[in-house]
Amino acid sequence: EAQVTQNPRYLITVTGKKLTVTCSQNMNHEYMSWYRQDPGLGLRQIYYSMNVEVTDKGDVPEGYKVSRKEKRNFPLILESPSPNQTSLYFCASSLSPPVSYNEQFFGPGTRLTVL
Amino acid sequence: AQSVTQPDIHITVSEGASLELRCNYSYGATPYLFWYVQSPGQGLQLLLKYFSGDTLVQGIKGFEAEFKRSQSSFNLRKPSVHWSDAAEYFCAVVSSISNFGNEKLTFGTGTRLTIIP
Repeated sequence: EAQVTQNPRYLITVTGKKLTVTCSQNMNHEYMSWYRQDPGLGLRQIYYSMNVEVTDKGDVPEGYKVSRKEKRNFPLILESPSPNQTSLYFCASSLSPPVSYNEQFFGPGTRLTVL
Repeated sequence: AQSVTQPDIHITVSEGASLELRCNYSYGATPYLFWYVQSPGQGLQLLLKYFSGDTLVQGIKGFEAEFKRSQSSFNLRKPSVHWSDAAEYFCAVVSSISNFGNEKLTFGTGTRLTIIP
């Protein structure tokens, strides 16, 4: 089944404890992206990747890192999480940019709470 | 900057009734517009999109949307809702294109749809 998977789905952590949220897609998509969803703000893009080893900042990259060493994986790294990073995170992928022509497929989301 | 506004935070309709969710955009040229649905506990799913051409766009699950340039609107409609349509709906617009060719989507704040029997 074609899908985008994220792990973990739920995570409660404490300030400053490094964490990684994994994202994997099995559709051989070139383009991958991370979003965060906050009440009243909709979805905002954190980082995106056009292909292996090609990443760039989105609208809200502060406090996050990403890497794209393999085509299928695009982990989101929080080196020192803070409470303002408490949010619902979505990974998405599409065959290639631009997203206007190629539908983005979203993962199920990761709900992160930073205490 | 390009943006979309969804004026209604929460809408409640009866099952079988018609539905219209509002979306207004701010963009100088012809926008690329999208509607997504997010069912509880799920990621977003694309319902439909508009680039150009016919202003009435058909999507999945019986939804349609009409692009009205004069009103800067892209409202989502369904003639008869089903209980399974209860979800959150997001309007989005392509807001910028980076040097690398990345098209950035700007999402509205969402409208939560509740269906009552």
